[in-house]
Amino acid sequence: GAVVSQHPSRVICKSGTSVKIECRSLDFQATTMFWYRQFPKKSLMLMATSNEGSKATYEQGVEKDKFLINHASLTLSTLTVTSAHPEDSSFYICSASRGGRQGYEQFFGPGTRLTVL
Amino acid sequence: QKEVEQDPGPLSVPEGAIVSLNCTYSNSAFQYFMWYRQYSRKGPELLMYTYSSGNKEDGRFTAQVDKSSKYISLFIRDSQPSDSATYLCAMSGNQAGTALIFGKGTTLSVSS
Repeated sequence: GAVVSQHPSRVICKSGTSVKIECRSLDFQATTMFWYRQFPKKSLMLMATSNEGSKATYEQGVEKDKFLINHASLTLSTLTVTSAHPEDSSFYICSASRGGRQGYEQFFGPGTRLTVL
Repeated sequence: QKEVEQDPGPLSVPEGAIVSLNCTYSNSAFQYFMWYRQYSRKGPELLMYTYSSGNKEDGRFTAQVDKSSKYISLFIRDSQPSDSATYLCAMSGNQAGTALIFGKGTTLSVSS
């Protein structure tokens, strides 16, 4: 159990376009979902925390108008990178938490590699 | 001082060796401690989690938490080439659904 999927796994786009990444919890309801960014050989950098039905909470330095997060249901959150530029190229990973007594456990998706040309 | 410190390595060991991975932290409010394994170009996979102080064993893996020293460890016995990956420690406070604080990760290479 506790499987999280991401789609797409890899995307290449032109500068100026928008890219949507989906994160789904397949076999549990995710009260909270998190979006991370990871640069090569670096640790995970938390971008935002989203609770179902609420606005996402963004970390300092993360532009909320550039990285749009929607958590419309207990099994789906989306991250849209708007007007992407080459510096947005990175590995984006989501995680999901069940909440409650097991809320400390976060289960990660396989990640999405974004390359902006 | 960063909240969580972890030596990035790389750490290279021969097959069969006992591996010790460690993290230190500064926030005494942390209650949940986790170890994740991440293979290249993949998402992190939860290996072990521990609540508060103590030891937890799962197969070849043992996690230890010493809250008095603010020090956590992951031991891997009889290491295998398939254990070669980056190991990230992570921790959080007592409130469910809060973000994890990650260490930088230690890259481990086990040679056959």
